[in-house]
Amino acid sequence: VMTQSPLSLPVTLGQPASISCRSSQSLLHSDGNTYLNWFQQRPGQSPRRLIYRVSNRDSGVPDRFSGSGSGTDFTLRISRVEAEDVGVYFCMQGTLWPPITFGQGTRLEIK
Amino acid sequence: VQLVESGGGLVQPGGSLRLSCVASGFTFTNSAMTWVRQAPGQGLEWVSTISGGDAKTYYADSVKGRFTLSRDTSKNTLSLQMDSLRVEDTAVYYCVRSSNWDPWGQGTVVTVSS
Repeated sequence: VMTQSPLSLPVTLGQPASISCRSSQSLLHSDGNTYLNWFQQRPGQSPRRLIYRVSNRDSGVPDRFSGSGSGTDFTLRISRVEAEDVGVYFCMQGTLWPPITFGQGTRLEIK
Repeated sequence: VQLVESGGGLVQPGGSLRLSCVASGFTFTNSAMTWVRQAPGQGLEWVSTISGGDAKTYYADSVKGRFTLSRDTSKNTLSLQMDSLRVEDTAVYYCVRSSNWDPWGQGTVVTVSS
């Protein structure tokens, strides 16, 4: 089970934001990798992966996004929130699949 | 690199639908492919995956025995046959290349209602 918090995150433009994702089991795979991804879903759009294997940014993702964590606790941070960051953020584990499981989602809005 | 889904629509409980996902810019044989769904106002739910090499299929417990995932590599098309549909299957269905979780399709809407 993947548990995200908070579920709603109002943030002032230019301020940092942080989203937590906790797994009920360790996501460290026997191959040494941790298959924890972060996705962004902007309003009316399909999801887009931002971060893979905990802390690796996908191509084109601004460097204000960063991921960290290990084992069961993970965090997505946005150093300075911009208007285009509004949307819902999901964590997803692929270590213990099947099944692949997603967090409930965190809705980021501008305060 | 693009995925385009089709086949969604309105169906009564107990009915069937077949979703298709056509890929361009890459080949399925090298890529795991996945369907993810999103019920109205809800989060993301993994539905099914087909592996790239041996085309082995995996299903969420919620759809096992009712949904069947297949691929036609000659047409670069992924298909999800959905039988015995339930109201709770109502969602936007996305296909995605899950080897690297990119690209995602635009989604196709499935509504199960009487």
